[in-house]
Formats: sequence, structure tokens, C-alpha cells
Amino acid sequence: QVQLQESGPGLVKPSETLSLTCSVSGASVSSGSNYWSWIRQSPGKGLEWIGHTDGSRTTTYNPSLKSRVSISVDTSKDHFSLELRSATAADTAVYYCARVNVSSWYFLDYWGQGIVVTVSS
Amino acid sequence: DIQMTQSPSSLSASVGDRVSITCRASQLISIYLNWYQQKPGKAPRLLIYATSTLQTGVPSRFSGSGSGRDFTLTISSLQPEDFATYYCQQTFSMPGTFGQGSKVEIK
Repeated sequence: QVQLQESGPGLVKPSETLSLTCSVSGASVSSGSNYWSWIRQSPGKGLEWIGHTDGSRTTTYNPSLKSRVSISVDTSKDHFSLELRSATAADTAVYYCARVNVSSWYFLDYWGQGIVVTVSS
Repeated sequence: DIQMTQSPSSLSASVGDRVSITCRASQLISIYLNWYQQKPGKAPRLLIYATSTLQTGVPSRFSGSGSGRDFTLTISSLQPEDFATYYCQQTFSMPGTFGQGSKVEIK
């Protein structure tokens, strides 16, 4: 059974970097058979796809966040991470990590439970 | 970005009702359309991918149809556990944008 779990600070100060980690069990982030994604949800903007990694060095980001975001993979620990620089109140949201099934199509088939992140001083 | 518009934003229905939710894309997306169900305080759950393929374990009362720009999620006989918010997502082109959600409430 594939499981994902987000972790990281629940409170980030404005202008600082929001950093989250997603721990994966039941699958390997480096297998190449899936992508790994971050999505966020805020009352104001609904669900927003942040980006994904293919488990190696290839990443794709939402153009609206591309200048501030990085997704990386730690294959030794089977987890992947999100960094969002220069955080503002608009980045306050529930952040989810998810597995992307890319076998024939593209869909998010396993999700973490989500982590609430507030950007505030 | 491709814009996804769902309707209705909310609806009230009774157990046993047939319910349909529509999703319109701002441009052609073939059948690259997924549906998710979300309950309060929980992560979204994949119901349907590629417009009409049911994810493993999803009850057969859920079905999806459409192509091009217009898509529909149908629940043939609403059950108590189906009261939730439903989202469509296009994956024809990145970013994979979501609809704003359709909340199904108890009548």
C-alpha cells in the first residue's frame, strides 16, 4: 500500500522559505515509473498544482510559482521536498504531496493527508 | 493556463437521487480529465481518470463522460457517503488546473 506523509513547519515568517518534505512508503521515488507532485489548497484559490518531479532531476513547475519554487528528491531516504522562497500570506494553504500515475495518462492516485502552513509574522 | 469551470457550485440532493456535475474546459483537452472527491479535513481522492475510467475500488454508481471541452460526472444513486465536494482536473497541458469544486449537500 502506497502511503505519503507531509512534514515541516506549520508557521513560516513572511519573506522566508517554506520547506516541506514528503515521506513515501510502499513505492520508490526513484523508480521512474511515477512522478511525484505537490499541490496546495487555499480558500481563496482552491486546488493549485505546484509542480512535479520524475524522481530524478527533471522537474516541471506551475509558471505562476516557477521563480520561487524547487522540488527535489532524496532517493536514499525515499522522500521528496518542496521549497517555496520569499513566502507571503498568499502562500498560506494546506499543502499536499501526491503520487502521479503516468502509465498512460496523468492522474494523482495517492495523496498525503496534507499539512497546514501559515505564513505570518 | 487552461481554465476549468464546474457547475453547479453546490447542489442539494437526497439519498437515492441521480446527480450530475459538469466541467467545462476553456480549450480542447481531448479526454485528459480527472475527477476527485474531497470530504472535510481530508485529502482529495481520485474517482475517475481519463474522463471515464474508474479508479480501483470506486463504486460503479460513479461514472464519467465527455470529450473536448465538456465533461460530466454522474452519481447514479446518491449514497450517504457521497456527500462531499467534487473537483475536476485537466491534465492535457501543465499546469494541471482544477475546477473550483461542486459541493453535494444533503437535502
